[in-house]
Amino acid sequence: GAGVSQTPSNKVTEKGKYVELRCDPISGHTALYWYRQSLGQGPEFLIYFQGTGAADDSGLPNDRFFAVRPEGSVSTLKIQRTERGDSAVYLCASSLSTGTTGNEQFFGPGTRLTVL
Amino acid sequence: AQSVTQPDIHITVSEGASLELRCNYSYGATPYLFWYVQSPGQGLQLLLKYFSGDTLVQGIKGFEAEFKRSQSSFNLRKPSVHWSDAAEYFCAVGGQLTFGSGTQLTVLP
Repeated sequence: GAGVSQTPSNKVTEKGKYVELRCDPISGHTALYWYRQSLGQGPEFLIYFQGTGAADDSGLPNDRFFAVRPEGSVSTLKIQRTERGDSAVYLCASSLSTGTTGNEQFFGPGTRLTVL
Repeated sequence: AQSVTQPDIHITVSEGASLELRCNYSYGATPYLFWYVQSPGQGLQLLLKYFSGDTLVQGIKGFEAEFKRSQSSFNLRKPSVHWSDAAEYFCAVGGQLTFGSGTQLTVLP
């Protein structure tokens, strides 16, 4: 079956611009996560959705970052006024249920964001 | 706060040799522990996970890991490494996962 998909695979933008990154989770997965992976580092948690609501957004670095999941399926990560430090690979993952039970998260291939 | 330490940034082994990748964690309760592998251009793939029960966990591709609560460790092992195992390996803990910084594995022919 289809795995987690993310679009675009690569995004190059200029400092100060607005970007949107999309994640399509595995069908039927109620939990969705966003992570950010900088070069040479492990992924860092950004935000977690259970259904349509953001259950934990403690990892969002500042108010320029926002994510939505209006219908409980597709999610969009939005970054305003991008900065060079936002350059990273943004990973999306989904799982059958809430992350607190430790269910396996299935990761997408990521979107590589480059801010010039 | 939960955290994961992978002390080895880079490990090189010869094909056919045994492998052990170290992972130490800090977590307030009984941890959910995971090992993921990431190959160039590929997404993160789960190798194995520990939730409870038997402390020796078997995973895919011949990998295993042992949970040692007294040492706060969850080391990954493989008895005989294949060239295709060359990749980056991440240990993680929790529900909203906290990852270590990874260990890059190089396999010599």
